[in-house]
Amino acid sequence: QKEVEQNSGPLSVPEGAIASLNCTYSDRGSQSFFWYRQYSGKSPELIMFIYSNGDKEDGRFTAQLNKASQYVSLLIRDSQPSDSATYLCAVPSRGYQKVTFGTGTKLQVIP
Amino acid sequence: DAEITQSPRHKITETGRQVTLACHQTWNHNNMFWYRQDLGHGLRLIHYSYGVQDTNKGEVSDGYSVSRSNTEDLPLTLESAASSQTSVYFCASSAGTEHTDTQYFGPGTRLTVL
Repeated sequence: QKEVEQNSGPLSVPEGAIASLNCTYSDRGSQSFFWYRQYSGKSPELIMFIYSNGDKEDGRFTAQLNKASQYVSLLIRDSQPSDSATYLCAVPSRGYQKVTFGTGTKLQVIP
Repeated sequence: DAEITQSPRHKITETGRQVTLACHQTWNHNNMFWYRQDLGHGLRLIHYSYGVQDTNKGEVSDGYSVSRSNTEDLPLTLESAASSQTSVYFCASSAGTEHTDTQYFGPGTRLTVL
């Protein structure tokens, strides 16, 4: 089992809908999680960080963490065409300051 | 403003040549990382450094080397370029104070090995 798994997509949603992106991880001891966004031809940029069970909201973005089920999700409300990008889930390695990235989910928001 | 830069942005080379990709950050970060990104594989860690004179191998380090002589720079060297090393290379840095530190990425270098 890969350390971090994501569905590669593409996930297509209409403009204004809620996009739901999921990520599962294998290390039950993982404490914190990152979501990065990567536009085509650009470098990844951090959009959310979560370390507690439950929800964390930042504008139109909500990260949800369920440690018992070992998944973390990212919800994007009122999706816009500008949200079309690849979303990468990342998990820090325990005891180290490096992270493991998932392969990313490509999101397409259709106008 | 602090930033992380990479050069060159595009490079075409031939099999067997030595290639060095530069990474320079002005964040004064302790940690620096090199990744390669390929379709279907996502970001894979090549080498990383937690400070001056410190280097560590990542999951795909064969054929690559790094050295850290100062805080700002972590050059990546391909000793003898192979076609399998055609990829997009990203450098990143983080503060190094917590394992939850954000990694900031450079713009990337697209390397083609013919």
